[in-house]
Amino acid sequence: KQEVTQIPAALSVPEGENLVLNCSFTDSAIYNLQWFRQDPGKGLTSLLLIQSSQREQTSGRLNASLDKSSGRSTLYIAASQPGDSATYLCAVRGTGFQKLVFGTGTRLLVSP
Amino acid sequence: DAGVIQSPRHEVTEMGQEVTLRCKPISGHDYLFWYRQTMMRGLELLIYFNNNVPIDDSGMPEDRFSAKMPNASFSTLKIQPSEPRDSAVYFCASSPRTLANYGYTFGSGTRLTVV
Repeated sequence: KQEVTQIPAALSVPEGENLVLNCSFTDSAIYNLQWFRQDPGKGLTSLLLIQSSQREQTSGRLNASLDKSSGRSTLYIAASQPGDSATYLCAVRGTGFQKLVFGTGTRLLVSP
Repeated sequence: DAGVIQSPRHEVTEMGQEVTLRCKPISGHDYLFWYRQTMMRGLELLIYFNNNVPIDDSGMPEDRFSAKMPNASFSTLKIQPSEPRDSAVYFCASSPRTLANYGYTFGSGTRLTVV
């Protein structure tokens, strides 16, 4: 059974800092890994999707990496802004089934 | 594209009442998923459909929950009778046929409160 863990559970940083969010998964047989952002009381917004054959994806100030063999992914946020404050979720899609298994999330607060 | 559309956005009902949540997936997406989010358990998959056929309903908590997808553009999740512990945010998501190359797109969710 796939299990996805995110560390840290919560993170508070001052504006401008570069930061890294971590995601680990127990079964390396995955199709892809997706990072989402969720604002309080809102739905999930997809940030980045990494295929199992890829090592990283970039979108603006965001960079996600994937090391499938070790079961790890990181989301790097450069020059953080207060608007980045949200909960970040990683989710993996296994090869044996179609469902997305979610991590527990990292709640990020960027203070001005 | 308007994305995945869910209705209602908020639902407050009394214990014992029937609740129906609705979802319209993105046109052309073959997969539809229902998730539930709570503080205690995070995001849990309840059921998913492929080409309108239920494939895996192992996440449906009890017989009180049922889901249907009568056509490619509409799905419902019904709770009958509802209980306070069903209070959660229910999300619908859809995904294209090529599973490896595409991710999920989520709707905005339905916040259900059972009193």
